[in-house]
Amino acid sequence: NAGVTQTPKFQVLKTGQSMTLQCAQDMNHEYMSWYRQDPGMGLRLIHYSVGAGITDQGEVPNGYNVSRSTTEDFPLRLLSAAPSQTSVYFCASRVTGLNTEAFFGQGTRLTVV
Amino acid sequence: RKEVEQDPGPFNVPEGATVAFNCTYSNSASQSFFWYRQDCRKEPKLLMSVYSSGNEDGRFTAQLNRASQYISLLIRDSKLSDSATYLCVISNSNSGYALNFGKGTSLLVTP
Repeated sequence: NAGVTQTPKFQVLKTGQSMTLQCAQDMNHEYMSWYRQDPGMGLRLIHYSVGAGITDQGEVPNGYNVSRSTTEDFPLRLLSAAPSQTSVYFCASRVTGLNTEAFFGQGTRLTVV
Repeated sequence: RKEVEQDPGPFNVPEGATVAFNCTYSNSASQSFFWYRQDCRKEPKLLMSVYSSGNEDGRFTAQLNRASQYISLLIRDSKLSDSATYLCVISNSNSGYALNFGKGTSLLVTP
């Protein structure tokens, strides 16, 4: 069972470069989300989606774009990378609603130099 | 003030010990409560949901106190493999079912 697949696992970018973090899930979950995790900060929500064609901002959306053209895929785009975006990024999916388990990808470790 | 607060620890306990973590939340409209476990440099994984009546899963017991707005996690007979960071997670329908994470409590179980 693939679950939630994130690519790449590691990435180094130069300031100003753009890139897309890929996230795919094969569990037919409507709800998908992106988090970033920084030391001492915990996981913070960047963007989320409750279904194809629907996205919304989380706690820290600036500098990131998302789209949801299919149920399976939820890519995260960094428009112009900044050192402040150095972080570990996690994609998650779950059935929409209360008391549902979130399944996470293995994470992408991004360094912006 | 962050919506979900946890003591970051670390909690260093010997094998076989009982250890308890608390988590407080500020949004009284919170509806769902969870404990997730995160191993070093890995993704978070659900440990258990927390229900109003309290619930137990083997050596793990979770409690919810809505009046005081806190949840707790009790681990009995600690194992070396319990060493991890434990994340308190809250959700409610008013925020689009988004999961709100605490910063985590670090547990180290020593031989």
